[in-house]
Amino acid sequence: QQPVQSPQAVILREGEDAVINCSSSKALYSVHWYRQKHGEAPVFLMILLKGGEQKGHEKISASFNEKKQQSSLYLTASQLSYSGTYFCGTENTGNQFYFGTGTSLTVIP
Amino acid sequence: EAQVTQNPRYLITVTGKKLTVTCSQNMNHEYMSWYRQDPGLGLRQIYYSMNVEVTDKGDVPEGYKVSRKEKRNFPLILESPSPNQTSLYFCASSFSGTYNEQFFGPGTRLTVL
Repeated sequence: QQPVQSPQAVILREGEDAVINCSSSKALYSVHWYRQKHGEAPVFLMILLKGGEQKGHEKISASFNEKKQQSSLYLTASQLSYSGTYFCGTENTGNQFYFGTGTSLTVIP
Repeated sequence: EAQVTQNPRYLITVTGKKLTVTCSQNMNHEYMSWYRQDPGLGLRQIYYSMNVEVTDKGDVPEGYKVSRKEKRNFPLILESPSPNQTSLYFCASSFSGTYNEQFFGPGTRLTVL
């Protein structure tokens, strides 16, 4: 039931944009996004609770297509501080939580 | 300061020697959870707890035990550790269930020889 993310890894130059996709074979009740920097714990970015919902967090935003069971994370005008591994996540009806496969993002000067 | 603490941060042990990793949160959160993180496999949920005395299996519960006797504490117990339990472990908590932000502890790196 683990959501699948794409791409697995991406390298950007500062100022470039990126899109990270998250898809599930099972129904998505909500979508969470976390970022984990090397050697640190994951940190919450945002949660989308309804299909069609879009949210923004500084220059990072996300969308949730409930019908397609997909979510996308958009990073615009990337900064060096955006480097890390991004995880989507979702839950089943019983409060069990599943993280996605992860996307490693590296921003270079 | 609102936080989730874990101890120890690093542990090297031998096969079969029982160990406990403690987790404590000071945010009065209802939901607590344990994850393990392995290269190529991401973060996988071991056990979770919706409230005191209520625990449920996650995706990879085999070889682990938990208890939730107090709201703030959620220890992870390995009764007979094996090398395949070598991993990075994270404890997390949220206000109520999975529809909320999860706050993570700093992680415990466990090596079982």
